[in-house]
Amino acid sequence: DAGVIQSPRHEVTEMGQEVTLRCKPISGHNSLFWYRQTMMRGLELLIYFNNNVPIDDSGMPEDRFSAKMPNASFSTLKIQPSEPRDSAVYFCASSLSTGGANTQYFGPGTRLTVL
Amino acid sequence: QQQVKQSPQSLIVQKGGIPIINCAYENTAFDYFPWYQQFPGKGPALLIAIRPDVSEKKEGRFTISFNKSAKQFSLHIMDSQPGDSATYFCAASRGRMYSGGGADGLTFGKGTHLIIQP
Repeated sequence: DAGVIQSPRHEVTEMGQEVTLRCKPISGHNSLFWYRQTMMRGLELLIYFNNNVPIDDSGMPEDRFSAKMPNASFSTLKIQPSEPRDSAVYFCASSLSTGGANTQYFGPGTRLTVL
Repeated sequence: QQQVKQSPQSLIVQKGGIPIINCAYENTAFDYFPWYQQFPGKGPALLIAIRPDVSEKKEGRFTISFNKSAKQFSLHIMDSQPGDSATYFCAASRGRMYSGGGADGLTFGKGTHLIIQP
């Protein structure tokens, strides 16, 4: 099992540029989550999808952030335009939501630096 | 509003000791309480999880104690080893009625940086 795959692993960009982060969930999982981790704010939920449908995007900080899940095996998180305060590690996680379990498997993360 | 409060922020324990990490939650809609372990440069990984219908769960050297009336839960690590040195996060999520029948997103505590000294 390949686990959750994220790309790129590291991204350095300049303020004002568009950034696209990519995630491939574990095959067969039907829930996908985007989190952001910073020293100041810890791990924060940004948005999540169940069966490719966005359920809760209340954690998305601003309209500059958008996320899509066009199919069960791919999701993107886009920041346009990027700002230095967006610098963080962005994690994607997936789960198979059957019964009462909510075991979420995290990817290795994308470390984003906005200069 | 911080819905899951975790303490301590950092903890140093001698090898073989029993580190204890505590969490308190506010939202009574939470019904799933996992603990995640994170090593530097890696994503968080599930360690153990509990539901509020039980007061304790053990998996190997890791135990969760849960107090529903106090809205508190804690992680105990028995016979701690230097390899357990990591950051530990408690988390919580709500039931399926809040997430359209699927899994809900996790609300995390701020994390505890644990060091087990040899």
